[in-house]
Amino acid sequence: RKEVEQDPGPFNVPEGATVAFNCTYSNSASQSFFWYRQDCRKEPKLLMSVYSSGNEDGRFTAQLNRASQYISLLIRDSKLSDSATYLCVARTGEKLTFGTGTRLTIIP
Amino acid sequence: DTGVSQDPRHKITKRGQNVTFRCDPISEHNRLYWYRQTLGQGPEFLTYFQNEAQLEKSRLLSDRFSAERPKGSFSTLEIQRTEQGDSAMYLCASSLFRGSGGPSQETQYFGPGTRLLVL
Repeated sequence: RKEVEQDPGPFNVPEGATVAFNCTYSNSASQSFFWYRQDCRKEPKLLMSVYSSGNEDGRFTAQLNRASQYISLLIRDSKLSDSATYLCVARTGEKLTFGTGTRLTIIP
Repeated sequence: DTGVSQDPRHKITKRGQNVTFRCDPISEHNRLYWYRQTLGQGPEFLTYFQNEAQLEKSRLLSDRFSAERPKGSFSTLEIQRTEQGDSAMYLCASSLFRGSGGPSQETQYFGPGTRLLVL
């Protein structure tokens, strides 16, 4: 079993729709969590950190449930520029463990 | 551009050859990480340095792989006797660790990667 699991998609979503991604992690020692975004053939870039209290950054909302070891990302009013692969990440010690990524395509 | 840089961006080599990649971190960053990413997968941790000290190595880092950061600035990753299974994107990241004593929270910033193809 992978340490961080997420649905690889692809998710094909019309522009303006709301889309939600889920992720689970298996290592209870993981202490912090992130969503990274990766465009095709580019490096991953930090989208946002994820906190138990939930956090919002514009159209993006992230949530962590430590009891269920579950992380989510919600994108509202999706834009064409949101098309990318979204990587769920758990930090254990000093290393980041990435999920396989969920591929999102926003359709005009 | 003051971000993480990597060189070369692409490398094609024949099986059995040695290759070396370079990473230049963001200038004030004291931590440097190497990851490997294969098609359809997320990046996988290989190793990391704090200043010049290599503090952790993954089981993925076989004896054919060696990483150095001799002066605590740039780092090199060498793969000896390359195999076709080494074909991947090799990503470098850097961060500024402030040593607060608790779990580190610093952001890792990734370079553009070196794409290796072993024929």
